[in-house]
This record gives sequence, structure tokens and C-alpha cells, in this order.
Amino acid sequence: DTTVKQNPRYKLARVGKPVNLICSQTMNHDTMYWYQKKPNQAPKLLLFYYDKILNREADTFEKFQSSRPNNSFCSLYIGSAGLEYSAMYLCASSRDRTIANTEVFFGKGTRLTVV
Amino acid sequence: GDSVTQTEGLVTLTEGLPVMLNCTYQSTYSPFLFWYVQHLNEAPKLLLKSFTDNKRPEHQGFHATLHKSSSSFHLQKSSAQLSDSALYYCALSFNSNNRIFFGDGTQLVVKP
Repeated sequence: DTTVKQNPRYKLARVGKPVNLICSQTMNHDTMYWYQKKPNQAPKLLLFYYDKILNREADTFEKFQSSRPNNSFCSLYIGSAGLEYSAMYLCASSRDRTIANTEVFFGKGTRLTVV
Repeated sequence: GDSVTQTEGLVTLTEGLPVMLNCTYQSTYSPFLFWYVQHLNEAPKLLLKSFTDNKRPEHQGFHATLHKSSSSFHLQKSSAQLSDSALYYCALSFNSNNRIFFGDGTQLVVKP
């Protein structure tokens, strides 16, 4: 099974409330990623885990948290949602840390709407 | 900084005609280039990627050639099919890096 599963597919959140998105894969991949995708924009890397080590991008460092309790699961947490968080969130995974040598598998995404 | 540019947001063409989707990049180092394809309500999937030995990658009738002189990795297919209608992302990465930089994507619409 080469699928990356994301739950839920659609999520509605209120401004100021927390949001938790879930991702799982059963490929025993070392690396898991979270991307944010807004209409007509490129997917933007938010953070990734290599094994248990979390790497957050500098420009989104304070806006997103994540946890990876085991190899298969990874969550994306927003402590207080704002309207600007409305987007598609894509989870992905890869076998190792070097993109050039491996394929990255994406989930179908969770569409978050903040109202 | 490192970036990928896809100049066409939307490409519409008739079935059977050739496809060419543009991709250029800016990079400090020699990157690896990729094309990802996303069909409606599906996950993005890797279509093809550049090789270190300058071989031309091909998959499902699509091919792309990395031209370092012009910093380009255009996607081509000789004859478009209806099923090729999808969103196509050009992306780059580096040998020692987890990060992939994506372009904004090109929506390809193939009409009968």
C-alpha cells in the first residue's frame, strides 16, 4: 500500500480555535512532510520530520506545530486558527532524507476552511 | 534564492496535439528537477525526474530534458490524450536535502 492517508478530507474551523490534522502512512518511511497549498500558488513546505527530528521552515516556525508519535503517524497543529490558514494541507512521505534518491508520496489533502 | 517558474497557469489544447509545459528554475547549486501530476480529487504523484547522467526521463508518453544552459526542464508529449487533463507541477530539490521547491502549477485541459 503506497498511499498516504489524511483525515479528515474537509475541516471547518472557527477563528481563534485550535485545529489538528492527521496523516498516516504504512510504508515505513523515515520522512513525513506537511505542505500548505493555496489557490494558484505553489505548495509551500511548512515542516518535515526525519525520523523523530522536526524541521520547521523559518517563515512559518511559530504558526504550526507537529508531532510524530510513531513512524506511521504525523499531525499538524494550529493553536489558534486565523482566516489566513484557510488552504489545502498536503501530507507527504519519503523513504529517506534525500529527495533525489527517492519518491515522495502525497496524500489527497485536507481542505481547511476557517470562518 | 532557489525557485521554479511555470509561466502558464492554464494550457488548453485539442486531443492529439503535442503538449509542452514550460518550467525554468533558479538555483545556486545543480538541482534535481521533477514533474508531479495531480488529477482531480487525487493526490499529486511523481511523473518523472531528471537523471544525473543526463538521460532523458520518460513516463506515460511524457518526457523532459534538463537543459542546464537555459535552466529549463520543459515537459513534452507528442500527442495529448483526454486523460492527460490535470494539474502539473514542476519542482526542484538537491542531493543533500529534504526540501522540494514547487512551481505554481500548470492546469492542462485536453478537449476532444
